[in-house]
Amino acid sequence: GEDVEQSLFLSVREGDSSVINCTYTDSSSTYLYWYKQEPGAGLQLLTYIFSNMDMKQDQRLTVLLNKKDKHLSLRIADTQTGDSAIYFCAETRQGTYKYIFGTGTRLKVLA
Amino acid sequence: GAGVSQSPSNKVTEKGKDVELRCDPISGHTALYWYRQSLGQGLEFLIYFQGNSAPDKSGLPSDRFSAERTGGSVSTLTIQRTQQEDSAVYLCASSLVHGNTEAFFGQGTRLTVV
Repeated sequence: GEDVEQSLFLSVREGDSSVINCTYTDSSSTYLYWYKQEPGAGLQLLTYIFSNMDMKQDQRLTVLLNKKDKHLSLRIADTQTGDSAIYFCAETRQGTYKYIFGTGTRLKVLA
Repeated sequence: GAGVSQSPSNKVTEKGKDVELRCDPISGHTALYWYRQSLGQGLEFLIYFQGNSAPDKSGLPSDRFSAERTGGSVSTLTIQRTQQEDSAVYLCASSLVHGNTEAFFGQGTRLTVV
């Protein structure tokens, strides 16, 4: 199927780490992405990982990919109030061009 | 332009009217996508254009929806005889090529059908 699933909400305190999880169903995924959507704005690419990698780090962001379990996570270190947004995971698959998006996780950072 | 531009940013229309939503992709981007984001939902794929190839319309929810891309640049999404369930944010994205490259999104058009 085309399901990409995420939990809907996450609340963390400022300064803590946030971990946003995503599961997907198709084993032919080639790239997996994390997009951020701030209120009233379009989606902004945060980071992406190729499916033959298991980890990617970019400043405060760490992406972990467990291909066996089809599980992707985004860890945000030292979460700030400016990180409050909706985070979407997405995948592209071999032989296709569609980005398949998850339902999005709304992250709320408490001061 | 510097980014993907969509217009209008907000549109309120009466049920049964037709609407046109416009997308100006980033110059030079050959791939263009339309997605729909309903309240509390993820992004639903609608249609994809790649260069001069026939568009993939497999995501269009009904024959009231259509889209075109003129000259490989600007795209228009048309919804005929709008219904209340069409209310959503319509997002356009473009990328250099299709699939495994970054898709840049516009800010969307919020459509409200009353």
